[in-house]
Amino acid sequence: GNSVTQMEGPVTLSEEAFLTINCTYTATGYPSLFWYVQYPGEGLQLLLKATKADDKGSNKGFEATYRKETTSFHLEKGSVQVSDSAVYFCALRTGTASKLTFGTGTRLQVTL
Amino acid sequence: EPEVTQTPSHQVTQMGQEVILRCVPISNHLYFYWYRQILGQKVEFLVSFYNNEISEKSEIFDDQFSVERPDGSNFTLKIRSTKLEDSAMYFCASSEGSSPWEQYFGPGTRLTVT
Repeated sequence: GNSVTQMEGPVTLSEEAFLTINCTYTATGYPSLFWYVQYPGEGLQLLLKATKADDKGSNKGFEATYRKETTSFHLEKGSVQVSDSAVYFCALRTGTASKLTFGTGTRLQVTL
Repeated sequence: EPEVTQTPSHQVTQMGQEVILRCVPISNHLYFYWYRQILGQKVEFLVSFYNNEISEKSEIFDDQFSVERPDGSNFTLKIRSTKLEDSAMYFCASSEGSSPWEQYFGPGTRLTVT
Protein backbone atom coordinates (compact mmCIF):
# COMPACT_ATOMS: atom_id res chain seq x y z
CA GLY A 1 0.00 0.00 0.00
CA ASN A 2 0.86 3.67 -0.07
CA SER A 3 2.66 5.36 2.80
CA VAL A 4 4.45 8.62 3.59
CA THR A 5 7.18 9.13 6.15
CA GLN A 6 8.11 12.59 7.40
CA MET A 7 10.83 13.75 9.72
CA GLU A 8 9.59 14.21 13.24
CA GLY A 9 9.21 17.62 14.73
CA PRO A 10 9.09 20.02 16.16
CA VAL A 11 11.65 21.86 14.09
CA THR A 12 12.77 25.13 15.66
CA LEU A 13 14.67 27.65 13.55
CA SER A 14 15.70 31.24 13.79
CA GLU A 15 14.30 33.66 11.25
CA GLU A 16 16.22 33.63 7.95
CA ALA A 17 17.55 30.12 8.55
CA PHE A 18 17.43 27.43 5.85
CA LEU A 19 14.65 24.88 6.17
CA THR A 20 14.53 21.26 5.09
CA ILE A 21 11.73 18.91 6.03
CA ASN A 22 12.33 15.39 4.78
CA CYS A 23 9.62 13.29 3.18
CA THR A 24 9.90 9.84 1.65
CA TYR A 25 7.16 7.70 0.24
CA THR A 26 6.15 4.22 -0.80
CA ALA A 27 3.55 3.93 -3.52
CA THR A 28 2.15 1.64 -6.15
CA GLY A 29 2.34 3.21 -9.56
CA TYR A 30 3.39 6.80 -10.09
CA PRO A 31 2.04 9.09 -7.39
CA SER A 32 1.40 12.79 -7.39
CA LEU A 33 3.11 14.40 -4.41
CA PHE A 34 1.94 17.29 -2.27
CA TRP A 35 2.90 19.49 0.62
CA TYR A 36 0.09 20.89 2.73
CA VAL A 37 0.44 23.51 5.47
CA GLN A 38 -1.79 24.08 8.46
CA TYR A 39 -1.60 27.42 10.23
CA PRO A 40 -3.02 27.62 13.77
CA GLY A 41 -6.81 27.40 13.79
CA GLU A 42 -7.07 26.84 10.04
CA GLY A 43 -7.53 23.92 7.68
CA LEU A 44 -4.85 22.20 5.67
CA GLN A 45 -3.91 24.30 2.64
CA LEU A 46 -2.16 23.04 -0.45
CA LEU A 47 1.32 24.58 -0.49
CA LEU A 48 2.80 22.95 -3.58
CA LYS A 49 2.64 19.83 -5.68
CA ALA A 50 4.48 17.80 -8.30
CA THR A 51 2.88 15.25 -10.55
CA LYS A 52 5.81 13.48 -12.19
CA ALA A 53 9.45 12.62 -11.63
CA ASP A 54 11.90 15.55 -11.59
CA ASP A 55 9.07 18.10 -11.38
CA LYS A 56 9.72 20.90 -8.93
CA GLY A 57 6.78 22.38 -7.07
CA SER A 58 7.21 25.87 -5.66
CA ASN A 59 5.14 28.45 -3.81
CA LYS A 60 5.79 31.27 -1.34
CA GLY A 61 9.54 30.59 -1.43
CA PHE A 62 9.09 26.90 -0.65
CA GLU A 63 10.31 24.25 -3.10
CA ALA A 64 10.22 20.48 -3.37
CA THR A 65 11.53 18.23 -6.13
CA TYR A 66 9.96 14.88 -7.00
CA ARG A 67 12.84 12.40 -6.81
CA LYS A 68 11.75 9.04 -8.11
CA GLU A 69 15.16 7.40 -7.61
CA THR A 70 15.16 8.16 -3.89
CA THR A 71 11.34 8.19 -3.51
CA SER A 72 11.60 11.55 -1.81
CA PHE A 73 9.92 14.96 -1.88
CA HIS A 74 11.81 17.09 0.62
CA LEU A 75 10.49 20.56 1.40
CA GLU A 76 13.01 23.42 1.41
CA LYS A 77 13.02 27.16 1.94
CA GLY A 78 16.07 29.35 1.81
CA SER A 79 15.07 31.86 4.48
CA VAL A 80 12.20 31.18 6.84
CA GLN A 81 10.06 33.84 8.47
CA VAL A 82 8.14 33.84 11.73
CA SER A 83 4.94 33.70 9.66
CA ASP A 84 6.02 30.29 8.31
CA SER A 85 5.41 28.74 11.73
CA ALA A 86 2.86 26.00 11.07
CA VAL A 87 2.47 22.25 10.66
CA TYR A 88 3.61 20.86 7.30
CA PHE A 89 2.17 17.65 5.85
CA CYS A 90 3.60 15.60 3.01
CA ALA A 91 1.02 13.62 1.04
CA LEU A 92 0.55 11.54 -2.10
CA ARG A 93 -2.21 10.41 -4.37
CA THR A 94 -2.07 7.62 -6.97
CA GLY A 95 -3.92 7.04 -10.20
CA THR A 96 -7.45 8.35 -10.43
CA ALA A 97 -8.14 7.74 -6.74
CA SER A 98 -9.14 10.87 -4.93
CA LYS A 99 -7.95 9.93 -1.46
CA LEU A 100 -4.76 11.48 -0.13
CA THR A 101 -2.24 9.53 1.92
CA PHE A 102 -0.53 11.76 4.48
CA GLY A 103 2.48 11.71 6.72
CA THR A 104 2.26 12.61 10.39
CA GLY A 105 3.04 16.30 9.88
CA THR A 106 6.05 18.30 11.03
CA ARG A 107 5.61 21.31 13.27
CA LEU A 108 7.86 24.24 12.39
CA GLN A 109 8.49 26.99 14.90
CA VAL A 110 10.41 30.05 13.68
CA THR A 111 11.72 32.50 16.27
CA LEU A 112 13.15 35.99 15.98
CA GLU B 1 -12.24 33.44 -0.53
CA PRO B 2 -14.61 30.48 -0.10
CA GLU B 3 -13.66 28.07 2.64
CA VAL B 4 -14.76 24.83 4.22
CA THR B 5 -16.18 25.26 7.69
CA GLN B 6 -16.65 22.69 10.44
CA THR B 7 -18.65 22.65 13.65
CA PRO B 8 -18.10 22.24 16.48
CA SER B 9 -14.42 22.98 16.85
CA HIS B 10 -14.27 20.68 19.88
CA GLN B 11 -16.70 17.96 20.91
CA VAL B 12 -16.50 16.00 24.13
CA THR B 13 -18.67 12.91 24.44
CA GLN B 14 -18.98 9.83 26.59
CA MET B 15 -18.13 6.39 25.29
CA GLY B 16 -21.12 4.75 23.64
CA GLN B 17 -22.80 8.02 22.69
CA GLU B 18 -23.60 9.07 19.15
CA VAL B 19 -21.92 12.13 17.70
CA ILE B 20 -22.50 14.08 14.52
CA LEU B 21 -19.72 16.21 13.10
CA ARG B 22 -20.80 18.88 10.67
CA CYS B 23 -19.14 20.40 7.66
CA VAL B 24 -20.15 23.02 5.14
CA PRO B 25 -18.16 22.42 1.94
CA ILE B 26 -17.43 25.08 -0.65
CA SER B 27 -20.68 25.73 -2.48
CA ASN B 28 -19.83 24.64 -6.03
CA HIS B 29 -17.86 21.57 -4.99
CA LEU B 30 -19.16 18.11 -5.81
CA TYR B 31 -16.79 15.77 -3.96
CA PHE B 32 -16.60 15.55 -0.19
CA TYR B 33 -14.23 13.79 2.14
CA TRP B 34 -13.56 12.99 5.78
CA TYR B 35 -10.12 12.39 7.20
CA ARG B 36 -8.99 11.97 10.78
CA GLN B 37 -5.79 12.34 12.74
CA ILE B 38 -5.29 10.56 16.03
CA LEU B 39 -2.87 12.54 18.18
CA GLY B 40 0.71 11.91 17.09
CA GLN B 41 -0.31 9.74 14.16
CA LYS B 42 -0.84 10.24 10.45
CA VAL B 43 -3.79 11.94 8.85
CA GLU B 44 -5.93 9.03 7.62
CA PHE B 45 -8.52 8.94 4.87
CA LEU B 46 -11.97 7.79 6.00
CA VAL B 47 -14.41 8.27 3.14
CA SER B 48 -15.19 10.13 -0.06
CA PHE B 49 -18.70 11.03 -1.19
CA TYR B 50 -20.07 12.02 -4.57
CA ASN B 51 -23.53 12.25 -6.05
CA ASN B 52 -25.13 11.29 -2.75
CA GLU B 53 -23.24 8.10 -2.30
CA ILE B 54 -19.96 6.84 -0.94
CA SER B 55 -17.39 6.57 -3.72
CA GLU B 56 -14.52 5.20 -1.64
CA LYS B 57 -13.95 4.27 1.97
CA SER B 58 -11.09 2.97 4.08
CA GLU B 59 -11.07 -0.03 6.37
CA ILE B 60 -11.45 2.38 9.29
CA PHE B 61 -14.88 3.41 8.03
CA ASP B 62 -16.87 0.51 9.47
CA ASP B 63 -20.55 0.18 10.32
CA GLN B 64 -20.19 2.61 13.21
CA PHE B 65 -19.61 5.43 10.75
CA SER B 66 -21.99 6.99 8.28
CA VAL B 67 -22.01 10.10 6.12
CA GLU B 68 -24.87 12.15 4.81
CA ARG B 69 -25.59 15.26 2.83
CA PRO B 70 -28.90 16.16 4.46
CA ASP B 71 -29.42 19.34 2.47
CA GLY B 72 -27.68 21.35 -0.21
CA SER B 73 -25.01 22.74 2.05
CA ASN B 74 -24.11 20.40 4.91
CA PHE B 75 -22.05 17.22 4.93
CA THR B 76 -22.07 15.21 8.14
CA LEU B 77 -20.13 12.37 9.70
CA LYS B 78 -21.99 10.30 12.27
CA ILE B 79 -20.37 7.93 14.72
CA ARG B 80 -23.10 5.74 16.20
CA SER B 81 -21.47 4.46 19.36
CA THR B 82 -18.22 6.20 20.12
CA LYS B 83 -15.19 4.39 21.46
CA LEU B 84 -12.18 5.80 23.26
CA GLU B 85 -10.08 5.16 20.14
CA ASP B 86 -12.33 7.45 18.10
CA SER B 87 -10.74 10.41 19.86
CA ALA B 88 -9.04 12.34 17.08
CA MET B 89 -9.10 15.47 14.95
CA TYR B 90 -11.59 15.04 12.13
CA PHE B 91 -11.06 17.02 8.92
CA CYS B 92 -13.64 17.60 6.25
CA ALA B 93 -12.55 18.44 2.70
CA SER B 94 -14.22 19.19 -0.61
CA SER B 95 -13.19 19.50 -4.24
CA GLU B 96 -14.75 20.54 -7.54
CA GLY B 97 -13.97 17.18 -9.10
CA SER B 98 -12.09 14.00 -8.45
CA SER B 99 -8.34 13.64 -9.05
CA PRO B 100 -6.50 15.87 -9.92
CA TRP B 101 -8.70 18.60 -8.45
CA GLU B 102 -7.37 20.18 -5.28
CA GLN B 103 -9.02 19.26 -2.01
CA TYR B 104 -9.84 22.16 0.30
CA PHE B 105 -9.81 21.34 3.99
CA GLY B 106 -11.70 22.69 6.96
CA PRO B 107 -10.04 23.55 10.29
CA GLY B 108 -11.08 20.29 11.90
CA THR B 109 -13.21 19.13 14.81
CA ARG B 110 -11.39 17.74 17.81
CA LEU B 111 -13.41 14.82 19.18
CA THR B 112 -12.64 13.67 22.70
CA VAL B 113 -14.31 10.47 23.92
CA THR B 114 -14.20 9.92 27.66
